[in-house]
Amino acid sequence: EAQVTQNPRYLITVTGKKLTVTCSQNMNHEYMSWYRQDPGLGLRQIYYSMNVEVTDKGDVPEGYKVSRKEKRNFPLILESPSPNQTSLYFCASSLRTGPQQYFGPGTRLTVT
Amino acid sequence: GNSVTQMEGPVTLSEEAFLTINCTYTATGYPSLFWYVQYPGEGLQLLLKATKADDKGSNKGFEATYRKETTSFHLEKGSVQVSDSAVYFCALSLQTGANNLFFGTGTRLTVIP
Repeated sequence: EAQVTQNPRYLITVTGKKLTVTCSQNMNHEYMSWYRQDPGLGLRQIYYSMNVEVTDKGDVPEGYKVSRKEKRNFPLILESPSPNQTSLYFCASSLRTGPQQYFGPGTRLTVT
Repeated sequence: GNSVTQMEGPVTLSEEAFLTINCTYTATGYPSLFWYVQYPGEGLQLLLKATKADDKGSNKGFEATYRKETTSFHLEKGSVQVSDSAVYFCALSLQTGANNLFFGTGTRLTVIP
């Protein structure tokens, strides 16, 4: 089954404790992206990747890192999480030319 | 720049009522337009799309027409069901360069029996 998976689905952590949210897709897509969803703001792009070893900032990259060492994986790293990073995070993938993006189920992160 | 403005919610309708959710956009190029739907506790799913002016996207009884002259992509359904209760997002992507999506803020629809 074609899908985008994220882990964990739920995470509660404390300020400053490094964490990684994994994202994997099995559709051989070149393009992958991370979004955060906040009430009243819709989805905002954090980082995206056009292919292996190619990453670029989205609209809200501060406080986040990503890597793309393999085509199927695109982890999101929070080196020192803060409470303002409490949010619902979505990973998505698509063919390089799009247009449709496929979304993972989401990771709800709470930073206390 | 590129942006999407969609109707503020929440919207509450009775079953079998007519639905319209307005969406307008600003884009620096020639965008593709999308409606995504998010059911409670789930990720986003593509509902319908249109890639050029005057195209009509349709799926599950929902329709939207790409109107270049009014820069709009309004979502409509003639008769909503309780199972349509969800959050609806209008989005655009440019057809050149990275396949980045620009989302509206979302409209929560609740359909009551």
